[in-house]
Amino acid sequence: AQTVTQSQPEMSVQEAETVTLSCTYDTSENNYYLFWYKQPPSRQMILVIRQEAYKQQNATENRFSVNFQKAAKSFSLKISDSQLGDTAMYFCAFMNYPRRDDMRFGAGTRLTVKP
Amino acid sequence: SQTIHQWPATLVQPVGSPLSLECTVEGTSNPNLYWYRQAAGRGLQLLFYSVGIGQISSEVPQNLSASRPQDRQFILSSKKLLLSDSGFYLCAWIRTGSTDTQYFGPGTRLTVL
Repeated sequence: AQTVTQSQPEMSVQEAETVTLSCTYDTSENNYYLFWYKQPPSRQMILVIRQEAYKQQNATENRFSVNFQKAAKSFSLKISDSQLGDTAMYFCAFMNYPRRDDMRFGAGTRLTVKP
Repeated sequence: SQTIHQWPATLVQPVGSPLSLECTVEGTSNPNLYWYRQAAGRGLQLLFYSVGIGQISSEVPQNLSASRPQDRQFILSSKKLLLSDSGFYLCAWIRTGSTDTQYFGPGTRLTVL
């Protein structure tokens, strides 16, 4: 079975600074997707960024980028120019492909951006 | 555009009572549908997923069940709620194709007393 581990329960960063959230996973699958989701106090799950395992190039979305190390099974999220609105729980997630019948989430990292 | 609805938004039920949570998706056909539970301060646990009408797979044995009576409708049920069933329930869907990304509904907060 797949597992996803987020070893940082809480983190904080000053506004405009950069922060990196860690995630490791374990799987025997060769094809899969990795995701970072953000959950603000409203509890709505919002997709931040997505990475296909077959792509070597790291995904980027504006201020958000990932460092995907497939051999090490590591998938970290870097947030640049942190904003107060980035304060939220962040979840790393794994989905097998192409069956898409196994979705695993980490326990989450609570990020606080300080003014 | 595609949207996903869940209701009710909040629910308080006594132990031993039945449960029915509904999820519907608009603007797509034949989506993969998922039910998750999130305990307080925790990550999401996959409960059920469905790839089509009447096709349900369970991830965790428990007193909950799921049904998919229509293509874009997914229902989570229980005959008798337990205290441990309290939590935040999220429905999600995947539009198969180029994105293969899960999109989540707004969730239902269930409190069992």
